[in-house]
Amino acid sequence: GQNIDQPTEMTATEGAIVQINCTYQTSGFNGLFWYQQHAGEAPTFLSYNVLDGLEEKGRFSSFLSRSKGYSYLLLKELQMKDSASYLCAVRDSNYQLIWGAGTKLIIKP
Amino acid sequence: IAGITQAPTSQILAAGRRMTLRCTQDMRHNAMYWYRQDLGLGLRLIHYSNTAGTTGKGEVPDGYSVSRANTDDFPLTLASAVPSQTSVYFCASSGRESGELFFGEGSRLTVL
Repeated sequence: GQNIDQPTEMTATEGAIVQINCTYQTSGFNGLFWYQQHAGEAPTFLSYNVLDGLEEKGRFSSFLSRSKGYSYLLLKELQMKDSASYLCAVRDSNYQLIWGAGTKLIIKP
Repeated sequence: IAGITQAPTSQILAAGRRMTLRCTQDMRHNAMYWYRQDLGLGLRLIHYSNTAGTTGKGEVPDGYSVSRANTDDFPLTLASAVPSQTSVYFCASSGRESGELFFGEGSRLTVL
């Protein structure tokens, strides 16, 4: 079966760095996405990786290793507004998105 | 309208009633999707449409139907609601090569 694993919850301190991991087992691979979802709101797109390596976008970076079925989202200089759930999703060989259950990130002052 | 609009934003419904969740987008995206989101689970695809006039079943299609008469609208119908359909429903669209999804604000449905 297809599976996306990410930690259920993480806690970090304002101003610090946090890494959210995502491992996947899917039927084929056509890209990995990270979305941010604040409580009670819709998910919003953060990043897309299709090739191995690091994609940097401001305070957020996303890394992919296809051979290991692994990705991480790195958040730097954490702000209180970064408190949200972070969703990992993989597009499989049928171009359907398989979603992880999300990681709830709690930022403490 | 800017992006994707869903209606209603919230609804309480008696079991057995018929309900249609509306979704409209103004981005001229070809692909549209309906997901449900339940606590502790990832987003689950109910139905999708790759282009106007075509629809397909997702992971959890039972009890739901969709239509895609034109590019902009993609309504989701529950023919006879059951309590297990209590959930938050998100409509999304995609028009870019990367497949980035744009989501509506969600419709919170409670079936009693």
